[in-house]
Amino acid sequence: AQTVTQSQPEMSVQEAETVTLSCTYDTSESDYYLFWYKQPPSRQMILVIRQEAYKQQNATENRFSVNFQKAAKSFSLKISDSQLGDAAMYFCAYKYGGSQGNLIFGKGTKLSVKP
Amino acid sequence: NAGVMQNPRHLVRRRGQEARLRCSPMKGHSHVYWYRQLPEEGLKFMVYLQKENIIDESGMPKERFSAEFPKEGPSILRIQQVVRGDSAAYFCATYRSLTPDYGYTFGSGTRLTVV
Repeated sequence: AQTVTQSQPEMSVQEAETVTLSCTYDTSESDYYLFWYKQPPSRQMILVIRQEAYKQQNATENRFSVNFQKAAKSFSLKISDSQLGDAAMYFCAYKYGGSQGNLIFGKGTKLSVKP
Repeated sequence: NAGVMQNPRHLVRRRGQEARLRCSPMKGHSHVYWYRQLPEEGLKFMVYLQKENIIDESGMPKERFSAEFPKEGPSILRIQQVVRGDSAAYFCATYRSLTPDYGYTFGSGTRLTVV
């Protein structure tokens, strides 16, 4: 069965600094997708970044980038120039089963940003 | 995302009562997933529906829980005879058929409290 593991329950970063959140996953599939979602106190799940497993190039969205290591089954999120609004729970998620598969989430990492 | 409407946002039920949670997808989105988030946990898949059909209910408890997505109207997650362990946030996620980006849009969730 596919699993997603986030080994850092909490992380803290100074404003304007860089922080990396870790995620590992386990799967026997070759075609899958990986996601990072942000959940602020409002509870809204916000898609931060997405990576297709068949793409070797790491995805980037403005200050957010990933380090996708397919052989190691690792998918870390790097947040550069951290802002106070980045404070939230961050969830790593995996999707299988073609276009209609459901998401499998890790337990999340709570990120605090210090002014 | 305001495009996926969930209501109510908060729901309080006494043990033994019924809870009905509603999810109205964005226009053109015909696939609905329901997820449950227990405190300090990531989201766990419950059920996947298309219009008038249950596609995958492997994550849903066999008793007391049911879901539907009628031809007209919102998707409904129904919990009969609620117990304290049902207290959680319930999210729905949708996406448009044949979208190439495999992006899911989440509602803001319903927080169910059983007293």
